Amino acid sequence: DVKVTQSSRYLVKRTGEKVFLECVQDMDHENMFWYRQDPGLGLRLIYFSYDVKMKEKGDIPEGYSVSREKKERFSLILESASTNQTSMYLCASSSFGQGDSPLHFGNGTRLTVT
Amino acid sequence: RKEVEQDPGPFNVPEGATVAFNCTYSNSASQSFFWYRQDCRKEPKLLMSVYSSGNEDGRFTAQLNRASQYISLLIRDSKLSDSATYLCVVNMRSTGKLIFGQGTTLQVKP
Repeated sequence: DVKVTQSSRYLVKRTGEKVFLECVQDMDHENMFWYRQDPGLGLRLIYFSYDVKMKEKGDIPEGYSVSREKKERFSLILESASTNQTSMYLCASSSFGQGDSPLHFGNGTRLTVT
Repeated sequence: RKEVEQDPGPFNVPEGATVAFNCTYSNSASQSFFWYRQDCRKEPKLLMSVYSSGNEDGRFTAQLNRASQYISLLIRDSKLSDSATYLCVVNMRSTGKLIFGQGTTLQVKP
């Protein structure tokens, strides 16, 4: 069974702090994704990666960066957290092309920026 | 117009009822379709893929209508445990991205 693990379930940070969200998958999946989910807006893609050291912008990359130094790990970085980044963050992984196989999600990190 | 649209609901139905959700998509080049289920404060999980010929998994039936650009999910004999949000997901093959609908909330009452 695919396991996608996010390092924190709940996180509270102050405005201006640098925030790291970590995600690890154990199924040797090529593709990894970061989404945020907000009421009324659904899931929105922030960044994704098809391979180690590769990254692609999603729909809302502003204010975020990512790092994929190893195949199993995909990190989301908030360079300077702002209150409008308070959200549920979901990491996901998949094999093949993004549309060819289903996404497996981690259990989410609920980030509050005060 | 949103690329993927769903009626957010909530749909309130009694146990044993049959309920159907529709999801419309705007890009006719879309090629892969999925239904995900998301329980309150949990991550989405794949419920079923949607094939051109339609497919069934137990009490759940998914159908695709390319001419009218919508997919549907039918749940028969609803159980209390079916209460969740159902997300429609469309693959825009041209962009390589999955687009999520906002979800339809189902509440099954005793």
